[in-house]
Order: sequence, then C-alpha cells, then structure tokens
Amino acid sequence: AQSVSQHNHHVILSEAASLELGCNYSYGGTVNLFWYVQYPGQHLQLLLKYFSGDPLVKGIKGFEAEFIKSKFSFNLRKPSVQWSDTAEYFCAVNANNQGGKLIFGQGTELSVKP
Amino acid sequence: GAVVSQHPSWVICKSGTSVKIECRSLDFQATTMFWYRQFPKQSLMLMATSNEGSKATYEQGVEKDKFLINHASLTLSTLTVTSAHPEDSSFYICSAWTQGANQPQHFGDGTRLSIL
Repeated sequence: AQSVSQHNHHVILSEAASLELGCNYSYGGTVNLFWYVQYPGQHLQLLLKYFSGDPLVKGIKGFEAEFIKSKFSFNLRKPSVQWSDTAEYFCAVNANNQGGKLIFGQGTELSVKP
Repeated sequence: GAVVSQHPSWVICKSGTSVKIECRSLDFQATTMFWYRQFPKQSLMLMATSNEGSKATYEQGVEKDKFLINHASLTLSTLTVTSAHPEDSSFYICSAWTQGANQPQHFGDGTRLSIL
C-alpha cells in the first residue's frame, strides 16, 4: 500500500532561520507530489506541486521542493522563514493511475518564533 | 485559485440525529469530490471518493451506510452522517478535483462536527 511519511512532527524555528521539512513516499510507479499548508483556522492551501519536468519546484511564498526519485523524497525548503509561516504542512502523493486521489503524510507543525 | 465552499462550518447535535454537510465548487466543475476526516493533530484520512452521477467509493474501514455520500451535480456533493454518535465527532473536509492536466485538489474550509 502507498504511504507518505513526514519525518518531523513539530519544528520550532526562529525568524530568518532556514527550513527543510522531509517527506518520503512509498510507491514504485509514477507519482504527482504536493505540499499543502494549513494556517490556523483556515482550509488547506496548495503551496506547490510536481507533475513532471524540473525536479526543483518553486511555489508560493518563497517555498520550494525538490523531487529526488531515487530517494522517493520530496522535501520542502525555505531559506528564511517568517512568523507568518507558522502553520501545519502536509505532503501528499497522487499515484498517476488513481485519478486525483491523494495520500497525505502525518503533517508537520511549524512554529516560528518572532 | 479555485473556491470550494463547505457548509456548515460547525455543527453540534444530539446523539442519534443525522447531519448533512454540503460541499460546493463555486467556480469550476468538479468531476470528483473527496471526503476526508481529520482528527486533532493528525493527518487527513480519506473516507471516500465521489464521482458525479455514480456511487461513491469508500476506503477500507469506512461504513458506507453510516456516511452517505451523494454527488448529484458537478458542483455539489453532500455527506450525511447518519445516526451520529459521539465517536463520529471530528473535523470533516471535502475537496474538489477536475480531470485534466496537472490539476490539484481544492479544499473546503471543513466542518467541525460535535455529537453530544
């Protein structure tokens, strides 16, 4: 069965620190990859997505992620976080042969201290 | 971005009653709507996949007679929690998706359901 693993449950950073959130998936076929963010009290919003092409994907708000196929990974990065980045971050995977169905990771709570 | 409206956002009801949650895609036609359940501090658990005009596909362990899903049009899907009990209390989230190149899911705001 497919699964998605996010390594960090809760990350605490100071403003301006660099961020990297890990995401690994288990599925041998072609996948589409996503990072969603959920700000407190709000719905999930798409940060970025990878379908094909350049494995380094740039998203909104200065976030980027790199797809490393050999490692089954899709880590999220941001060079300098802000207090407003405090949120829950979810990695999700869609297998190419399963319509739009997503499998989510457990989520990582990011707390940025001002 | 695409807008998905979910209603109600919060509902409290007595044990044994049924609760209907609506999910509407406001600015696009969704071929598929997904229903998730999210427990506090946990991830989204897919409950079912709903395609317009056909029966929903339920994930393993989800009772289809308990969680009735109707998807009558390309812009509306409903989830009815029948004979709700306290253990059904949770945060329910819908998303809408349309078949096509590089399309992500678009999520509603969620419905907080509390059964007394």
